[in-house]
Amino acid sequence: QKEVEQDPGPLSVPEGAIVSLNCTYSNSAFQYFMWYRQYSRKGPELLMYTYSSGNKEDGRFTAQVDKSSKYISLFIRDSQPSDSATYLCAIPNYGGSQGNLIFGKGTKLSVKP
Amino acid sequence: DVKVTQSSRYLVKRTGEKVFLECVQDMDHENMFWYRQDPGLGLRLIYFSYDVKMKEKGDIPEGYSVSREKKERFSLILESASTNQTSMYLCASSLSDTYQPQHFGDGTRLSIL
Repeated sequence: QKEVEQDPGPLSVPEGAIVSLNCTYSNSAFQYFMWYRQYSRKGPELLMYTYSSGNKEDGRFTAQVDKSSKYISLFIRDSQPSDSATYLCAIPNYGGSQGNLIFGKGTKLSVKP
Repeated sequence: DVKVTQSSRYLVKRTGEKVFLECVQDMDHENMFWYRQDPGLGLRLIYFSYDVKMKEKGDIPEGYSVSREKKERFSLILESASTNQTSMYLCASSLSDTYQPQHFGDGTRLSIL
């Protein structure tokens, strides 16, 4: 089983929809979780950074962690065409080298006007 | 804001050439990373460095080497370019703590003909 798994999509939604993006992970020791957004022909940029279980909200974005299920989610409310991008989850590689992150393969989202 | 600058956005080289990709960060980060990103394969770590003159192999180091002579600069070298090294190359940097997010440059799209 891979350490971090993410459905690659693509996911297409109409403008204004609520989007749910998800990752599963295998190591119960993971405590920190990140979401990156990557626009076409650009590098990934950090979108959300959460610790342990629960929710974190930032504007239209909510990151949710369910440690019992080893499942993390990113919700986008009132989605906009400008949200069209690839979203990657990332988790610090505990037990591995300092500073390394394990990335999901990314989910490509398209928001149609 | 952290700025990670990659020297070229697009590069075309021929098989057998020695290719240099340069990356500079302006936030005094200890850690620097080189990834390649391919459709369906996600981000794969090539090499990383914790400090000047230090380097560690990532998941796919074959055919690559790196150089870190100054803290702010991390170079990726393709010793003898091959067509299977055609890819998007991304550089990232982070602080030295285990749970720090990485900050990415905008990538170099390298084509080997």
